[in-house]
Amino acid sequence: KAGVTQTPRYLIKTRGQQVTLSCSPISGHRSVSWYQQTPGQGLQFLFEYFSETQRNKGNFPGRFSGRQFSNSRSEMNVSTLELGDSALYLCASSGDPANTEAFFGQGTRLTVV
Amino acid sequence: KQEVTQIPAALSVPEGENLVLNCSFTDSAIYNLQWFRQDPGKGLTSLLLIQSSQREQTSGRLNASLDKSSGRSTLYIAASQPGDSATYLCAVIEAFGDKIIFGKGTRLHILP
Repeated sequence: KAGVTQTPRYLIKTRGQQVTLSCSPISGHRSVSWYQQTPGQGLQFLFEYFSETQRNKGNFPGRFSGRQFSNSRSEMNVSTLELGDSALYLCASSGDPANTEAFFGQGTRLTVV
Repeated sequence: KQEVTQIPAALSVPEGENLVLNCSFTDSAIYNLQWFRQDPGKGLTSLLLIQSSQREQTSGRLNASLDKSSGRSTLYIAASQPGDSATYLCAVIEAFGDKIIFGKGTRLHILP
């Protein structure tokens, strides 16, 4: 059974650009959550999608957005990149976060220069 | 607002020792608590999931306990090995809102 797949693994962008990250959950999982991890702030919740609907959102500016497709794959978009957006972005999938185990992908390392 | 705290932030112990990592949370209204391991630059690997109605879970040399009323969980690692060196993260799933809130982790170094 394939795990959670995130693409790309590494990305370098310049300030002001926009970026799209992709997450393919474990087959059968309908919930996808996104997190930003930085050395100073640790893991911070971005948003969670379940059956194509955003159910929860963390405290991030509107430049951070996402969506989920009918096959449960999810994308995260960051517009007008800032240096502070440099981080490891992690995606987790689960059947439903309330009741089941969450499994994480390897992450996308985004560097903004 | 739910807050998750992990103590200590870093720990170095000689190989073979048993050790305990601590996690505390401020709001006992949780669905479950999950322990993860993260190697440098990598994603998170799930270690143990404890449902809110459970007191503990065991997997191999790992044992996690949960005391929901006091807002505490511990991860016990028996007979530590150098391969156990990693950052260990504790996360709670809120009962209302279904958010997963993480602690900042304990960075563990097992000395050969």
